[in-house]
Amino acid sequence: DAGVIQSPRHEVTEMGQEVTLRCKPISGHNSLFWYRQTMMRGLELLIYFNNNVPIDDSGMPEDRFSAKMPNASFSTLKIQPSEPRDSAVYFCASSPRLVNEQFFGPGTRLTVL
Amino acid sequence: KQEVTQIPAALSVPEGENLVLNCSFTDSAIYNLQWFRQDPGKGLTSLLLIQSSQREQTSGRLNASLDKSSGRSTLYIAASQPGDSATYLCAVRGDDGGGQGNLIFGKGTKLSVKP
Repeated sequence: DAGVIQSPRHEVTEMGQEVTLRCKPISGHNSLFWYRQTMMRGLELLIYFNNNVPIDDSGMPEDRFSAKMPNASFSTLKIQPSEPRDSAVYFCASSPRLVNEQFFGPGTRLTVL
Repeated sequence: KQEVTQIPAALSVPEGENLVLNCSFTDSAIYNLQWFRQDPGKGLTSLLLIQSSQREQTSGRLNASLDKSSGRSTLYIAASQPGDSATYLCAVRGDDGGGQGNLIFGKGTKLSVKP
């Protein structure tokens, strides 16, 4: 099992550009989570899906952030337009069911100049 | 609103020492609690998951306990090794009646085990 796969691992972009982060959950897992980690705020849940349906997006900081899960094996987190304060490490995690143990991907380190 | 606190923020111990990491939470209505390890520049690795009805879980040299009523959990590491050096995070899942509360994370304890 390859675990949760995220791409890219590193992204450097300029303010105003669109950024798309990608995640492939563990096969057979029904729930997918997007988190953001910063030194100041720690790990914060942005949004999560269950059976491909968004359940809670209350952690999404602004309308510039959007997430989709078109099928059970793929999800994207998009920031448009990006701003320097979006710089952080973004993690994707999946679990067999919503309340089960979560398994994290390696993260995408985003730097917005 | 649930808040999770981990003290100390950093800890340095000599190899071989037994140690305890602490996690406290403000709302005792939890569904479960999970301990993670994070190595620099890496993702999180799940160590132990304790359901709200359990008092402890063990995996190898790790033992996690849970006292829901007092809002506390501890992670005990026996015979620490340099390879245990990492940041340890505690996360609590709230219980909104359906067990679908979100995971709320502490900011972690950075452990350094010196050879």
